[in-house]
Amino acid sequence: DAGVTQSPTHLIKTRGQQVTLRCSPKSGHDTVSWYQQALGQGPQFIFQYYEEEERQRGNFPDRFSGHQFPNYSSELNVNALLLGDSALYLCASSLGQRETQYFGPGTRLLVL
Amino acid sequence: AQSVTQLGSHVSVSEGALVLLRCNYSSSVPPYLFWYVQYPNQGLQLLLKYTSAATLVKGINGFEAEFKKSETSFHLTKPSAHMSDAAEYFCAVIQTGANNLFFGTGTRLTVIP
Repeated sequence: DAGVTQSPTHLIKTRGQQVTLRCSPKSGHDTVSWYQQALGQGPQFIFQYYEEEERQRGNFPDRFSGHQFPNYSSELNVNALLLGDSALYLCASSLGQRETQYFGPGTRLLVL
Repeated sequence: AQSVTQLGSHVSVSEGALVLLRCNYSSSVPPYLFWYVQYPNQGLQLLLKYTSAATLVKGINGFEAEFKKSETSFHLTKPSAHMSDAAEYFCAVIQTGANNLFFGTGTRLTVIP
């Protein structure tokens, strides 16, 4: 049974560029949440997708957007990248919105 | 809003010694509480969770945590530390009225041989 997978594993971008990160949830899970983890800090909630809609959002600007596909996989898009967007981006999936979340290995984004 | 506080950003124990990582929560109602572990350059792995059933929760790798409402605590313990336990540990809560996890700042555990 495959767990949560994320791609790519690492990414380097320059300021002002746009990036798309991808996540495939654990088999049977229908909810995907995205978190940003800056170096030395705990993960911070970006948003959650359920039934292809954004259901809840953390304190992140509109530059951060997402999408959930019919197969429950999800994308995180970040526009107009800033140096401060450099972080580990974690995807978590769950069966239901308030259920236990299982995390993928993350995508490490470096903005130069 | 509910939150969690982890006391001690770094904890060092000798191999074979007791591991105690502290987490206090702020909530007027019993929350859903979690402990996750993060090994270097990896994602988060669920250790255990409390969802208002038994107050003593057993997790993977010999870890357990006790929910104490009177102390608003959910400390993580392991009787005997192993070198492979060296990692970052995060306490987290699902906030009332929300679906997301709110994480503490983490505790880095070092195991001394």
